[in-house]
Amino acid sequence: IAGITQAPTSQILAAGRRMTLRCTQDMRHNAMYWYRQDLGLGLRLIHYSNTAGTTGKGEVPDGYSVSRANTDDFPLTLASAVPSQTSVYFCASSADPSYNEQFFGPGTRLTVL
Amino acid sequence: SQQGEEDPQALSIQEGENATMNCSYKTSINNLQWYRQNSGRGLVHLILIRSNEREKHSGRLRVTLDTSKKSSSLLITASRAADTASYFCATDALNNNDMRFGAGTRLTVKP
Repeated sequence: IAGITQAPTSQILAAGRRMTLRCTQDMRHNAMYWYRQDLGLGLRLIHYSNTAGTTGKGEVPDGYSVSRANTDDFPLTLASAVPSQTSVYFCASSADPSYNEQFFGPGTRLTVL
Repeated sequence: SQQGEEDPQALSIQEGENATMNCSYKTSINNLQWYRQNSGRGLVHLILIRSNEREKHSGRLRVTLDTSKKSSSLLITASRAADTASYFCATDALNNNDMRFGAGTRLTVKP
């Protein structure tokens, strides 16, 4: 692994189903982030984690949950997907929350029908 | 809500010309960053400018920051077709985990 990876690349999901988007980084970065990108709205922060064992809410956290059991992994879970969660999801990491330069994964395109 | 707003929304130029994109934001910031996104890919960090800096260069990129006007500009000189991408500004305001992105400028460089 080099950098930050996400899985799956894309997914079509029925409304009401549970879905976990995976994110793994091998840079030993302390901070990790989940964003959603919608046309015309740029990126919006869903949840973040400053360090393993801690998480926090971003701008649009409702309907999503995260966990940070270790430094490398930061999964995003949709407990019961709704069509408004159709979006492209990006995971990112930074060495330290105060450093700010973020490294992004390739994204997961999620469609909720 | 978005903190940064890029202008223009779309820009089309010929190879070799300069491209200027602007970003305005609403609240006081610690720093401002510019990112690039190729179609279907993740964002790539280009440059970070701190609130106490006025200008920064990186290769063909020149970024300016005017905190009194709450605005920044990204200049790409001698553009190439490979510069075709969307460009986003991002600002962090009260805390480092609240980085806000604008909606982006779509740049097309014609060969």
